[in-house]
Amino acid sequence: QVQLVESGGGLVKPGGSLRLSCAASGFTFSDYYMSWIRQAPGKGLEWVSYISSSGSTIYYADSVKGRFTISRDNAKNSLYLQMNSLRAEDTAVYYCARGSIAAAGATDYWGQGTLVTVSS
Amino acid sequence: SYVLTQPPSVSVAPGKTARITCGGNNIGSKSVHWYQQKPGQAPVLVIYYDSDRPSGIPERFSGSNSGNTATLTISRVEAGDEADYYCQVWDSSSDRVVFGGGTKLTVL
Repeated sequence: QVQLVESGGGLVKPGGSLRLSCAASGFTFSDYYMSWIRQAPGKGLEWVSYISSSGSTIYYADSVKGRFTISRDNAKNSLYLQMNSLRAEDTAVYYCARGSIAAAGATDYWGQGTLVTVSS
Repeated sequence: SYVLTQPPSVSVAPGKTARITCGGNNIGSKSVHWYQQKPGQAPVLVIYYDSDRPSGIPERFSGSNSGNTATLTISRVEAGDEADYYCQVWDSSSDRVVFGGGTKLTVL
């Protein structure tokens, strides 16, 4: 069965850095585009970044562009999000999500999320 | 940037029909996807391409999309349908995924 397991979240000071990882299993990881989506406490969903199956195409939300970097290692079935210059408003649960092949633009599986807290 | 507007809340009695709207400029020209999120859980895709259901999603869930409004319809609402619902599109003009603000469905 499809599994996405995020890790790397935690408490970090403003201006600090953090690297999130997402371990994928149960499907051919290299066939799927992937996304990071976040949710601030008590708030709605916010898309963060997208990476194509090969890693050649990448998009970012304006709120994180220039500070966050998405990447993947298809040999390790892993997705990453390098987060630099973190701000209080980056505090959220970060979800790793698989892009749907059947429905372009949709995400059909989500991990359980990892909490990132930016606070001094 | 493209904006999707949802009502913050919708209430419905058990057994009745709930309709959750998602407004956007000419949204009928885009493919709309809907997610259900229960407290403490990750979102689940319930409708894709406006009206298609993933396997395992009950037929009570349906969707439509025309003009400036997309609608998620839940028939014969059950207590277990109580959740937050989000609409989502891909905005090709900006290469961005856009989510609506979410609608809290309360089953009375």
